[in-house]
Amino acid sequence: NAGVTQTPKFQVLKTGQSMTLQCAQDMNHEYMSWYRQDPGMGLRLIHYSVGAGITDQGEVPNGYNVSRSTTEDFPLRLLSAAPSQTSVYFCASSSPGPGELFFGEGSRLTVL
Amino acid sequence: GENVEQHPSTLSVQEGDSAVIKCTYSDSASNYFPWYKQELGKRPQLIIDIRSNVGEKKDQRIAVTLNKTAKHFSLHITETQPEDSAVYFCAARGHFGNEKLTFGTGTRLTIIP
Repeated sequence: NAGVTQTPKFQVLKTGQSMTLQCAQDMNHEYMSWYRQDPGMGLRLIHYSVGAGITDQGEVPNGYNVSRSTTEDFPLRLLSAAPSQTSVYFCASSSPGPGELFFGEGSRLTVL
Repeated sequence: GENVEQHPSTLSVQEGDSAVIKCTYSDSASNYFPWYKQELGKRPQLIIDIRSNVGEKKDQRIAVTLNKTAKHFSLHITETQPEDSAVYFCAARGHFGNEKLTFGTGTRLTIIP
């Protein structure tokens, strides 16, 4: 049971480049989300999804797009990377309602 | 939306002593309050959680208390050990249909041998 799998683990981009962070879960969880983690700012919600075909914005959505075509996958797209998007990104999934959020291992992104 | 404040941002305690981390939340509809531990370079992992119909929950050396009236909750770690050194995050989650987990800014706990 792989849980939540994120790729890539590390990525360096130049300003203006685009890329997609991949996230997949094999626990049949309806709820998936993307967080970014910056020093002193905790984990901030970028986008989330409560099921296939349904997405919504979190606290810091600007510069990011998501889609949820299947229950398993929830990719995060950076449209035009900026240095302010240098961060560690975590994908997470859970069942509906109160319960544990399962995190992926994280993706460290550096934008030069 | 929900706002979660966490204090202190750093905490150092002697091995064997107790550590307390406090959080406040703003949305009275929040009904679930988990705590996550993140070791250096690792993913956050759930260590304990509490629902709004419970005032206190214990799991070995870890306990969480919730005061709904004051909208604050706390993590208590007793008999601290070196492996407790990590960053701890509190979080608050709204009712079903508003599935947004809002995290505090984290507390870096260092256990001094």
